[in-house]
Amino acid sequence: DSGVTQTPKHLITATGQRVTLRCSPRSGDLSVYWYQQSLDQGLQFLIQYYNGEERAKGNILERFSAQQFPDLHSELNLSSLELGDSALYFCASSVGGGESSPLHFGNGTRLTVT
Amino acid sequence: GQNIDQPTEMTATEGAIVQINCTYQTSGFNGLFWYQQHAGEAPTFLSYNVLDGLEEKGRFSSFLSRSKGYSYLLLKELQMKDSASYLCAVREDSNYQLIWGAGTKLIIKP
Repeated sequence: DSGVTQTPKHLITATGQRVTLRCSPRSGDLSVYWYQQSLDQGLQFLIQYYNGEERAKGNILERFSAQQFPDLHSELNLSSLELGDSALYFCASSVGGGESSPLHFGNGTRLTVT
Repeated sequence: GQNIDQPTEMTATEGAIVQINCTYQTSGFNGLFWYQQHAGEAPTFLSYNVLDGLEEKGRFSSFLSRSKGYSYLLLKELQMKDSASYLCAVREDSNYQLIWGAGTKLIIKP
């Protein structure tokens, strides 16, 4: 168990809808990262927050947004969903903002858009 | 540009040794990570190298040569449970972001 908690585990929704994915980092970790992984594909970095502030942005679509709250949990909002958004969405956390500390991943949310 | 290369797939025999290579070209270097990912599961941290040389952790070892932009993960005494994808990731020193390889799918045969 990595200590990173993601909810829900599974989500099935229709095209055009909006969903929110939730992540609680490991105790003491200040950074939260969001990744997308489509079937048999590599990890695609979406966005990173450090202590409530956006630290880095990757290939995140304009239809997607995220935030990190004062208690350090984070939410990823996906709107106007398309079939191609079906993927595993991972949250990861680390102690610092990007030094030698490894990322610890949650078990992911599997999103299916029908 | 930024690029990390790993073989797409490798096959090895239970009980044997396998070496998974990773070459990288990035804007600076501030460490290299290896992760294991079983299908449909979360990646789990295996090792971290920032200085040249070999880091050993039980059956797994990781090697780094910064001058060659090269790393390998060595798995000994292979077990069936080692069947997984192995991801190489490099942390750049310019913005500390991780650049991920596409992963190497390792298949272990009895």
